[in-house]
Amino acid sequence: QSVLTQPPSVSAAPGQRVTISCSGSSSNIGNNYVSWYQQLPGTAPKLLIYDNNERPSGIPDRFSGSKSGTSATLGITGLQTGDEADYYCGTWDSSLSGVVFGGGTKLTVL
Amino acid sequence: QVQLVESGGGLVKPGGSLRLSCAASGFTFSDYYMSWIRQAPGKGLEWVSYISSSGSLIYYTDSVKGRFTISRDNAKNSLYLQMNSLRAEDTAVYYCARCKSRAYNFDYWGQGTLVTVSS
Repeated sequence: QSVLTQPPSVSAAPGQRVTISCSGSSSNIGNNYVSWYQQLPGTAPKLLIYDNNERPSGIPDRFSGSKSGTSATLGITGLQTGDEADYYCGTWDSSLSGVVFGGGTKLTVL
Repeated sequence: QVQLVESGGGLVKPGGSLRLSCAASGFTFSDYYMSWIRQAPGKGLEWVSYISSSGSLIYYTDSVKGRFTISRDNAKNSLYLQMNSLRAEDTAVYYCARCKSRAYNFDYWGQGTLVTVSS
């Protein structure tokens, strides 16, 4: 059971927009910054979003992040088949004194 | 370019020990916090430990406290994870990762090394 809650799967058609939610509590998302990672099959995770809504260089603006209260959301527009991957949210948990991740969301581009 | 290369994984019996290494290049290693993160087969990500740039600040997830030790050698641009009293549930791919602006976001990851704990 992960500390952060994500839907196990989401799907959408190419070109469409999808959002992935990440729900936590005041000890984690509510008082710390959120990051998002993309893990393509058989590869290491890749940082997509940090500090709630910042994109590292090289990450297209099709990817966006937001946070409200104890929840965060990853948005992906203009879906491509190459976006099919597992997506994870992560943050610091002040009560646990450690980094916590969501259970991951598998994105299928139909 | 930034590179992180893990090594030291393998098959070990329950109760055994293993030492993982992560060789860093392409950046000033001594400027960055570093972490170990693992992923059990078919499962999600689990953070294991992080160490500050100087090595003075260290955190572990509860399940490895007292069994795993993170360390670094800034002169050798290397990160380590000494794993003792290994259990079946420690079976996972272990990634080393560079911490970006905070100790809990990770901007570069290695390719991972597989640790299998089985009799």
